[in-house]
Amino acid sequence: EAQVTQNPRYLITVTGKKLTVTCSQNMNHEYMSWYRQDPGLGLRQIYYSMNVEVTDKGDVPEGYKVSRKEKRNFPLILESPSPNQTSLYFCASSFSTGYNEQFFGPGTRLTVL
Amino acid sequence: SQQGEEDPQALSIQEGENATMNCSYKTSINNLQWYRQNSGRGLVHLILIRSNEREKHSGRLRVTLDTSKKSSSLLITASRAADTASYFCATDAGGTSYGKLTFGQGTILTVHP
Repeated sequence: EAQVTQNPRYLITVTGKKLTVTCSQNMNHEYMSWYRQDPGLGLRQIYYSMNVEVTDKGDVPEGYKVSRKEKRNFPLILESPSPNQTSLYFCASSFSTGYNEQFFGPGTRLTVL
Repeated sequence: SQQGEEDPQALSIQEGENATMNCSYKTSINNLQWYRQNSGRGLVHLILIRSNEREKHSGRLRVTLDTSKKSSSLLITASRAADTASYFCATDAGGTSYGKLTFGQGTILTVHP
């Protein structure tokens, strides 16, 4: 089944404790992206990747890191999480840039205490 | 910055009625997409309309695009209780931003049985 998977789905952590949210897609998509969703703010893009080893900042990249060593995986790293990073995170992928729909993962709900 | 802005923020209708949601954006676009999100879940792509298209249909969905007014509308005909969800428009500016989607804050649609 074609899908985007994220792990973990739920995470409660404490300020400053490094964490990684994994994202994997099985559709051989070139383009992958991370969003965060907050009430009243909609979805905002954190980072995106147009292919392996090619990543770039989105609208709200501060406090996050990403890597794209393999085409299928695009982990999101929070080196030192803070409470303002409490949010619902979505990974998405698409076949390529241009006229393509994006496929979204199920989301990761992160709480930073 | 937010590109798409949906109107209304919330819409409540009876089953069988039509639901219309509007989206306005600020800069020129390559294409505009509509997504649906059931509570707390990942977004699902509904329809994509290119900047050179004016209207597109998919089942009970009808999307229009007016690039001169920088606006789009999503019409759901003969709504069902299962259509209850949040609906987001997302713009793809193209050019160097190819593939980067900018989402609006969404319209919450409630369809009463």
